[in-house]
Amino acid sequence: DQQVKQNSPSLSVQEGRISILNCDYTNSMFDYFLWYKKYPAEGPTFLISISSIKDKNEDGRFTVFLNKSAKHLSLHIVPSQPGDSAVYFCAASVGNNNDMRFGAGTRLTVKP
Amino acid sequence: DGGITQSPKYLFRKEGQNVTLSCEQNLNHDAMYWYRQDPGQGLRLIYYSQIVNDFQKGDIAEGYSVSREKKESFPLTVTSAQKNPTAFYLCASSIADSARGYGYTFGSGTRLTVV
Repeated sequence: DQQVKQNSPSLSVQEGRISILNCDYTNSMFDYFLWYKKYPAEGPTFLISISSIKDKNEDGRFTVFLNKSAKHLSLHIVPSQPGDSAVYFCAASVGNNNDMRFGAGTRLTVKP
Repeated sequence: DGGITQSPKYLFRKEGQNVTLSCEQNLNHDAMYWYRQDPGQGLRLIYYSQIVNDFQKGDIAEGYSVSREKKESFPLTVTSAQKNPTAFYLCASSIADSARGYGYTFGSGTRLTVV
């Protein structure tokens, strides 16, 4: 049972434009959400997170939006840069972070 | 430099053999985790441990075993009972009961192939 879903396996955008990566979840108990970025042959690295008490969190070029009623979150990258090309994983947890669930990932390609 | 080290990076195993994947961290993290990644699927939790000498099964623990004798180490054994062991395995660690600011720290992974 996939509790966290990323329905777009890939996304391609032009450098300088906005990248929007989407994530849906089914477990209404999730109260903390994270985005990880993964380069080939490396482990994922933390990018940005949001608590369920918020609907937006911004960190530089990265903004995560949370819509609890729709059980949907999105990651916006603006402006997109070629170095942003990677696989992005959405993750969610209940309570503390000892039981995190991950989506399948979206491969972002930013073209120069 | 603090971090998590997984070894080896690539591992080949013959069918019917057990194999152990190493995971060591020097971050002084309490909790450690093993995930498996398959094409088109998210990271699936195999086992996790919140303290030394204690661990819990994740969603896909069948065919795997772990130990947590030291805080720094959380080895994963893939046994012959695991039906489809070929995958990319990721180890992670975190501060238990943390403020969840930064989630997990991941290792660089081990790619296991059964030949």
